[in-house]
Order: sequence, then structure tokens, then C-alpha cells
Amino acid sequence: SAVISQKPSRDICQRGTSLTIQCQVDSQVTMMFWYRQQPGQSLTLIATANQGSEATYESGFVIDKFPISRPNLTFSTLTVSNMSPEDSSIYLCSVEDRGEGSEQYFGPGTRLTVT
Amino acid sequence: SQELEQSPQSLIVQEGKNLTINCTSSKTLYGLYWYKQKYGEGLIFLMMLQKGGEEKSHEKITAKLDEKKQQSSLHITASQPSHAGIYLCGAVPDSSYKLIFGSGTRLLVRP
Repeated sequence: SAVISQKPSRDICQRGTSLTIQCQVDSQVTMMFWYRQQPGQSLTLIATANQGSEATYESGFVIDKFPISRPNLTFSTLTVSNMSPEDSSIYLCSVEDRGEGSEQYFGPGTRLTVT
Repeated sequence: SQELEQSPQSLIVQEGKNLTINCTSSKTLYGLYWYKQKYGEGLIFLMMLQKGGEEKSHEKITAKLDEKKQQSSLHITASQPSHAGIYLCGAVPDSSYKLIFGSGTRLLVRP
């Protein structure tokens, strides 16, 4: 199974600032996704990170707020821009491993607190 | 849009007892995933089911997908405190591989 790491593991940020979260996979994968988990809630898909093209965003999420990069098949970043306390969440990247029958694996998450 | 409903929302059991968590979809599933999450951490992949009637086991955890592919159950045998956490079912509603999630079941196992 794919091994996924995320940086930072947690951060406390001031409102109005931006934070970039990194996701690194130990093997090449086609599909990478970014999810958000607000306090006490389940996971919501933010976007699909596409290699070599713009990310595909879900309803309610926009590129200006959550710009995503995917420079190659093992790495992606998610930026949370102009943060407000409502952005306090756990942000998780996931990958779809077609070598394992389309199993999806998640990174350890980045716990973000905005003050 | 497709929705996943998990039950129960929370569960407290005595160590050694068996338990079952259910996940019901409003539409037919392309795939059904079970994950475990320790509080505030990432998701640990448990199992993926794709075929109607499929059943998979890993250690003391068994998951089944019904024939109509609209309901799945996760069964833990002889529960241990290490089984405590939040169990999430995730579903692929179409061929896009994007997951939607249930609201989760919080499990506490008392020693």
C-alpha cells in the first residue's frame, strides 16, 4: 500500500494569513485528493489534484481560497488562503492506488487552528 | 446526490463483546470503504468491498456488502480497547473514485 506523509502535522495560524500543506507519496499515483474534516464532522472532498493541469474543485470550494499544485505523480500541495477561524479543520490528502484494486489511502492529516 | 447513513452514531461496549456497525446508502454503490480514525489523526484503511455479497476479514474485523450493494456492515469480534476510535464508511458513488463519507461511529471499548 502507498505510504503518505504530510507536512506540517499541525499549525496554529493567525486570521488573514495563508498556510501551504504538503503531501508526499512513496510511489507514483494517478489520483490524489484533498479532504477537509471540520471539528466533530466527517470528511468532505475539497478537490482532485490533477498532474499537469488545474485541480478539479467540488461545489463550495474555489481555487482562490484553496489553490492546489500537483507538479508530479508523487507530490501535491494545498494552500489555505486568507484564513478565518472557520478554516480550523484537519486537512487530509488521499491517493487512489490502482495497483491495490482501487484502494484509497489517507495521509496522517494536518490539524490547522486559526486564531 | 448520494448519502451514507451510519448507525449507531456512538457505541460503548465491554471488552470481549462483539459489535456491529452499519452503513446504508441511498443509491447503489460502486465501492464501499471502511476506515478507522484515531481522534484527531488520519484514516487507517481497513477494507474495500466492490462486489455484491462480498465479505472480507482482517484479524477480528469482518465487513460485508449486501447483494444489492446498498448496505454494508462491519463486525468486530471479541472487542479490545485497541479497537476504540471512529469508524467511517466511504463510498464511491460513480466511476470517478471520489469518496463520500458517512458521519462516523464512535466506538469506546471499556477494559
